[in-house]
Amino acid sequence: SQKIEQNSEALNIQEGKTATLTCNYTNYSPAYLQWYRQDPGRGPVFLLLIRENEKEKRKERLKVTFDTTLKQSLFHITASQPADSATYLCALAGAGFQKLVFGTGTRLLVSP
Amino acid sequence: GAGVSQSPRYKVTKRGQDVALRCDPISGHVSLYWYRQALGQGPEFLTYFNYEAQQDKSGLPNDRFSAERPEGSISTLTIQRTEQRDSAMYRCASSLEQSNTEAFFGQGTRLTVV
Repeated sequence: SQKIEQNSEALNIQEGKTATLTCNYTNYSPAYLQWYRQDPGRGPVFLLLIRENEKEKRKERLKVTFDTTLKQSLFHITASQPADSATYLCALAGAGFQKLVFGTGTRLLVSP
Repeated sequence: GAGVSQSPRYKVTKRGQDVALRCDPISGHVSLYWYRQALGQGPEFLTYFNYEAQQDKSGLPNDRFSAERPEGSISTLTIQRTEQRDSAMYRCASSLEQSNTEAFFGQGTRLTVV
């Protein structure tokens, strides 16, 4: 069955370092991969979208890579700040009329 | 409104009662999704619509759950004969097009079945 896996353990890093979060998937051929941020008690908020034919996407301090051979996406936050502390979710969708499916999310904690 | 609106924000109901959860998407958005989210978990897909057509309802847990979007705008998720295990946060999201654009989420409806 289709599976999207994110590290369930929280990631703790120090301010200023680069945070790297992983999203792995199996039995899936996504056309699009998205990353969302979710703060406690709030709905997910979109950050970045990357297509299957794109290797890398950047937006300010954020960088996403998409390796369809490894079936993996990496999400990087450079120069991390305490305000980046949140849960980060990856979501995948196939082409056409395909549903958007989310992973379980990884909690990031950035310490001052 | 500017964002996705869900109502009610909180709903407490007795076991066995029916509940209807409403989602008002961003105006003009084609796709509308329903998710259920347990604490500490990612959103679990329930169903989604493009315009008024229900494209996929594979995530609905059983036949007590149904959803509609009759005019391609507002959607209602109905749970019949609620059970305690239905207690969760129910989230609605809409997107301008299909899966290739970002989804905007509402604040959710916290359902508690007692």
